[in-house]
Formats: sequence, C-alpha cells, structure tokens
Amino acid sequence: NAGVTQTPKFQVLKTGQSMTLQCAQDMNHNSMYWYRQDPGMGLRLIYYSASEGTTDKGEVPNGYNVSRLNKREFSLRLESAAPSQTSVYFCASSVLAGGPHEQFFGPGTRLTVL
Amino acid sequence: GQQLNQSPQSMFIQEGEDVSMNCTSSSIFNTWLWYKQDPGEGPVLLIALYKAGELTSNGRLTAQFGITRKDSFLNISASIPSDVGIYFCAGQLAGGGADGLTFGKGTHLIIQP
Repeated sequence: NAGVTQTPKFQVLKTGQSMTLQCAQDMNHNSMYWYRQDPGMGLRLIYYSASEGTTDKGEVPNGYNVSRLNKREFSLRLESAAPSQTSVYFCASSVLAGGPHEQFFGPGTRLTVL
Repeated sequence: GQQLNQSPQSMFIQEGEDVSMNCTSSSIFNTWLWYKQDPGEGPVLLIALYKAGELTSNGRLTAQFGITRKDSFLNISASIPSDVGIYFCAGQLAGGGADGLTFGKGTHLIIQP
C-alpha cells in the first residue's frame, strides 16, 4: 500500500500560469482533503470531498478549484497562480467524514509562484 | 475557523529529557489527534483519542484527552534525536461537519545532543 501519493513533489510557476496538483489514495477511503501549510500558520483546509461526487469549500478556497475524479483521486487546480499561493500543499484522506476522524497525509507538493 | 492554541511554539531540550506539549480550546472536541511532521514530509499520525479522560500510549509517547474535552496533552519520555520535528494537535469539533479537523500551529522540537 502506497497510502496517499501526490504529484509533483516540487513545482515553480510564474504568476498567471495554471497547474493541477494530483492526489491519489489506495486505502479505499471515502473522504479526501486539500490543505496548505505556511510558516507559522499550521494546516489550513482549502477544499474537501466527503464522498465521491461531492466537494465543498474549506477555510481558504479562493483561487482554487477541485475535482473528485473517482473514489481514489482528488485534484487541486490553480487557474491563475499568484505569489500568495506559494506554499506546501498536502492531500489527506480518511475513511469516512462522519466516522473515525483520523486523516492520513501525502508527502506534499512544494509550490513556488514567482 | 475554530482556534486550537498549541504550546509551546518551540522547545530546545537535551537528549534524554522528557517533553510535554498541549493544546487547548474554548470549544468542545470529540476527537483529538497528534501528528508528527519531519522536514520535507507530510504529517504522520501518532495517537488518536476518542473519549474524555482517555490516556493512550504509543511507545515513549503518551497522550491524554482532557476531561473537559477542551484540551489534550502529549508527553514524550527520554527524548532521542529522531524525535526532532514539528508536532501538531488536531481536533474534531463536537457537532462538527464533514470538513474534518482543526489543527494547532505546531510545536517545533529541537534536541541538542
């Protein structure tokens, strides 16, 4: 079991460019999440998907879109990157949004927007 | 969003010392989780707590779910160099929705040999 995988590991973008961060889990989890981590800010929820076919905004959704492609995959898209989106992005999954709340994290994508 | 106050922000200790950190909130939680993050990696779950008063150990780590359901602590006994990292508490609010966990801002643990 690979757990939660993310691609790419590193990315540098210019302001205005777009990109999609990919996330996949092989634990048959129902719920998936996207967080960003900034120095001194902890982890902040961007979007989540409680189950296949549903997505909802988290604490900091502006400038992002998501797609729950199937039960395994949850992607995060930046349509027009801004320097304020320079951050480390983590994907996580859990068995069930309303059940045991243990979330398992991927290794992260380190994004720099110039 | 809801706030979790995690303290201390950082700790500089000697190898072999015991470590204690905690999280507090004005809100009631029905789950407390403790994660560790190594440099360049994602957070890894250490301990999960589901009942008020619950005390759970994982090797040299011990965590407790506060009786008021508004706090939790994590202790590490006899610290070793590989304990270095950032420790996060996370909680699921009582009556919270599907958006999951609220995270503290982390405790940076630095161990001097």
